[in-house]
Amino acid sequence: DSGVTQTPKHLITATGQRVTLRCSPRSGDLSVYWYQQSLDQGLQFLIQYYNGEERAKGNILERFSAQQFPDLHSELNLSSLELGDSALYFCASSVEGAGDETQYFGPGTRLLVL
Amino acid sequence: AQKITQTQPGMFVQEKEAVTLDCTYDTSDQSYGLFWYKQPSSGEMIFLIYQGSYDEQNATEGRYSLNFQKARKSANLVISASQLGDSAMYFCAMRKSGTSYGKLTFGQGTILTVHP
Repeated sequence: DSGVTQTPKHLITATGQRVTLRCSPRSGDLSVYWYQQSLDQGLQFLIQYYNGEERAKGNILERFSAQQFPDLHSELNLSSLELGDSALYFCASSVEGAGDETQYFGPGTRLLVL
Repeated sequence: AQKITQTQPGMFVQEKEAVTLDCTYDTSDQSYGLFWYKQPSSGEMIFLIYQGSYDEQNATEGRYSLNFQKARKSANLVISASQLGDSAMYFCAMRKSGTSYGKLTFGQGTILTVHP
């Protein structure tokens, strides 16, 4: 158990819908990261937050948005869902977000868009 | 830009034997970190081992060791005394050091199967 929690574990929805994925980092970690894992794209970095502020952005679609709240939990919002958004979405956390810090991953949310 | 290449889509090993999973990387950064993660069939990503680019000694964590050859830009994972529970997907990843920007770049992964 990494100490990072993600809910829900599984999500099935329809095209065009909007979903929210939730992540709670390890106790004491200030930085949260979101990754998408799909068969065709592999593991892709989406976005990083540090203590409530956006720190880095990767291959995140405009239909996707995220935020980190004062209690440090984070939410990833996916809207106007398409079939291709079906993937495993991971949240990870680290203490401060420095380059040599290990990122600890949550169990992931498996999203299926029908 | 950083790039990680794992050339072995799948590897097979007999229980109790050692196995090496290959990882080569490409980066223009002077300071970086290399990571290995394990993903069992259940899906979670488990951190295994870390090597800093300026670390002179190869990293070890229990049965895992990282064979780091900086000049060749390789960071191979060695698993000694393989166990059935080691069957999983293994990912090599890297990240620029000395920065607070956190992107991990992953390879495509290697599926390891341990036979009894």
